Amino acid sequence: QKEVEQNSGPLSVPEGAIASLNCTYSDRGSQSFFWYRQYSGKSPELIMSIYSNGDKEDGRFTAQLNKASQYVSLLIRDSQPSDSATYLCAVNWNNDMRFGAGTRLTVKP
Amino acid sequence: DTAVSQTPKYLVTQMGNDKSIKCEQNLGHDTMYWYKQDSKKFLKIMFSYNNKELIINETVPNRFSPKSPDKAHLNLHINSLELGDSAVYFCASRRDVRETQYFGPGTRLLVL
Repeated sequence: QKEVEQNSGPLSVPEGAIASLNCTYSDRGSQSFFWYRQYSGKSPELIMSIYSNGDKEDGRFTAQLNKASQYVSLLIRDSQPSDSATYLCAVNWNNDMRFGAGTRLTVKP
Repeated sequence: DTAVSQTPKYLVTQMGNDKSIKCEQNLGHDTMYWYKQDSKKFLKIMFSYNNKELIINETVPNRFSPKSPDKAHLNLHINSLELGDSAVYFCASRRDVRETQYFGPGTRLLVL
């Protein structure tokens, strides 16, 4: 059974703080990893993709992957109220993409 | 230009009815998906098609039947609708396994 687990939250951080989102997955054969952001009433949109162990940075976002621990995380630096959304972790096995339950993040001004 | 489009955006219907949701992508992608997102926001894969062939068929009631007339279209037909079918249904597509999926705007289905 391919499973993706996320802390469901909700997670609340003050504006300007670092938000840390975590995700674990069950299948060691997984190949690629994605973080999506979903605003209420909207469709998921890609924030970051990561394929190999280590860190990947894009602006205020950093994705971290540890395949040995089957763990992927997303850090959001200098959090803004506009970052308030549900963040979905997605893990890919061939053509099969599985999503975690999502973590709801609220950034308070 | 809309990359992945779905029709209708909203669908309100009675229990027992049959309905269809259509999805089209103009990205030239080979793989398309249907996901169901329930009220708790959990996004669950239902079906995946690659070049018009079914490759993933999760534990979904057989009242749900996908149809792919060509690789740009993946439609979802639902027979004998039940209250528990109420959810947002997302269509998505992607080019290959390493790339992200592009999602449609979603179809909000309410079964009364």
